[in-house]
Amino acid sequence: DARVTQTPRHKVTEMGQEVTMRCQPILGHNTVFWYRQTMMQGLELLAYFRNRAPLDDSGMPKDRFSAEMPDATLATLKIQPSEPRDSAVYFCASGLAPTSGLYNEQFFGPGTRLTVL
Amino acid sequence: AQSVTQLGSHVSVSEGALVLLRCNYSSSVPPYLFWYVQYPNQGLQLLLKYTTGATLVKGINGFEAEFKKSETSFHLTKPSAHMSDAAEYFCAVSDLSWGKLQFGAGTQVVVTP
Repeated sequence: DARVTQTPRHKVTEMGQEVTMRCQPILGHNTVFWYRQTMMQGLELLAYFRNRAPLDDSGMPKDRFSAEMPDATLATLKIQPSEPRDSAVYFCASGLAPTSGLYNEQFFGPGTRLTVL
Repeated sequence: AQSVTQLGSHVSVSEGALVLLRCNYSSSVPPYLFWYVQYPNQGLQLLLKYTTGATLVKGINGFEAEFKKSETSFHLTKPSAHMSDAAEYFCAVSDLSWGKLQFGAGTQVVVTP
């Protein structure tokens, strides 16, 4: 059955290293979201793509974070350089953009648990 | 701007007892409201949503929620808790044009035998 996949599921790295997280949205979905979950801040929206174009990345620290969609089947979130405060679970979600007054569900991936030492 | 407040970060219920999770929202436009559940080490799963129409919405696993505009609330209930309901529950709000979700802080539910 169709689901959002994320790799890696777990990542431990040292401060200063580059981290790349990948997401494969459900085939046919044209909207991709990146969320970050921490104990202190809860779930925060980092970035939001529609038809591969970034629509809102206001939640993302611009100096070290970047999000892209090289093609419709792949979304990436990069952190360079990583810092201990980036330790969190990063979720990708995909869905169909709202149309005709109807809201379409976002489907979440299992997340990437990042630990920066 | 939209925001969500979930009252109570932890709720403990006995198996078979009523589950009541409270959610209040603020929104400058008609809101779309959601409850998601997160089991340990998993992503979020949609329990139910309110978009338009009937204000009492039923979801999966026996949960339901009622949209009360006058109270700006969207509380989640389940008549009889099961052990499998132990999880974290998130209330969220969205507006149609963006589709992005604003989440509450979450409520951890513990079910005791």
